[in-house]
Amino acid sequence: GAVVSQHPSWVICKSGTSVKIECRSLDFQATTMFWYRQFPKQSLMLMATSNEGSKATYEQGVEKDKFLINHASLTLSTLTVTSAHPEDSSFYICSARARRVDTGELFFGEGSRLTVL
Amino acid sequence: AQTVTQSQPEMSVQEAETVTLSCTYDTSESDYYLFWYKQPPSRQMILVIRQEAYKQQNATENRFSVNFQKAAKSFSLKISDSQLGDAAMYFCAYRTVYGMDSNYQLIWGAGTKLIIKP
Repeated sequence: GAVVSQHPSWVICKSGTSVKIECRSLDFQATTMFWYRQFPKQSLMLMATSNEGSKATYEQGVEKDKFLINHASLTLSTLTVTSAHPEDSSFYICSARARRVDTGELFFGEGSRLTVL
Repeated sequence: AQTVTQSQPEMSVQEAETVTLSCTYDTSESDYYLFWYKQPPSRQMILVIRQEAYKQQNATENRFSVNFQKAAKSFSLKISDSQLGDAAMYFCAYRTVYGMDSNYQLIWGAGTKLIIKP
């Protein structure tokens, strides 16, 4: 099956620092990766869509300069939360669409819990 | 724009019994995908079942089956012989078939928390 690895699974940082979260497709090439944010007991909120080698497309209301997304290769996308503040504390999830024949399914990473002190 | 509605914030079922989770959606497209994802306490999203809109036959995966009513835009999930490990948040999701990469995002319902009573 298609595996997406996301890490760190949890991170605690001080306010004002930057945190990088990696999302890797281990056994397939991902044409598109999606980054979500999930608040407690809520559904997933799409933050941005990234395609390999091009700029990410951000959803309305998501600050591009706050949440930097890089999709440098077909197997790696990163989300950097810059100058993190307590309100950025959340659960972040990545998902990927496979380059091979599209079955409709997206494959999810394990998620990363960010706590900003 | 497409929307997905899950009207049951929480459902509970006795172990070994059957439960049905509801999902309705709105779209003007004729071809699309529908999914049920499970998110256990570990927070890892797990695909439970997938349905392609052009297929009239309801998808099944072991104890999980769907009742896909295209005209009514309804996509309910039935879990038979419920097990303690089925306890989780269940999300219904929609995805278009054609379009730009940005269109391949999933449109999510609000989720239903499923509680299994031993």
